[in-house]
Amino acid sequence: GAGVSQSPSNKVTEKGKDVELRCDPISGHTALYWYRQSLGQGLEFLIYFQGNSAPDKSGLPSDRFSAERTGGSVSTLTIQRTQQEDSAVYLCASSPRQGSHEQFFGPGTRLTVL
Amino acid sequence: GDSVTQMEGPVTLSEEAFLTINCTYTATGYPSLFWYVQYPGEGLQLLLKATKADDKGSNKGFEATYRKETTSFHLEKGSVQVSDSAVYFCALSNNQGGKLIFGQGTELSVKP
Repeated sequence: GAGVSQSPSNKVTEKGKDVELRCDPISGHTALYWYRQSLGQGLEFLIYFQGNSAPDKSGLPSDRFSAERTGGSVSTLTIQRTQQEDSAVYLCASSPRQGSHEQFFGPGTRLTVL
Repeated sequence: GDSVTQMEGPVTLSEEAFLTINCTYTATGYPSLFWYVQYPGEGLQLLLKATKADDKGSNKGFEATYRKETTSFHLEKGSVQVSDSAVYFCALSNNQGGKLIFGQGTELSVKP
């Protein structure tokens, strides 16, 4: 079946612009995660959605970052007023249920802020 | 807070050599432990896991044993192949929603 998909695969933007990154999880997966992979910081957790529960936003690095998940499926990560330090690969993962022991990762969106 | 530390790379080995990649963790409670692998140009994928002390995870010839007394989850393979060249990430989940905390990653390069 289809895996986790993310779009765009690459995004180049200018400092100060807003960007939106999209994640389509595996159908039926109730848990959705966003991570960031950068050279200096490795792989960092950003935010987690589980069903209709309030998201765990504890990993978001600043209030310029936000995410939503509509209809319990597709998720959008928005970065406002992008900075050069936001350049990274943004990974989305989904899981069949909360606390499941495997997360299925998408290919990522490579964001470059000039 | 919870954290994972793994040996720095890159690690370069000849084909058929023995592989060990060290991983230690700090966590409250009893986390689940994972090794994820990222092959060149591909996404992260689960390699193996262990959910309680003394469990051994294994897959594709790789093994790791959950050692609570040493808070370790070292990855081993008896005979590596060129196709094992990848970046390996050790991770833990403390089951608070299942979010993963990753180590820095270790790049493995296997030469023929």
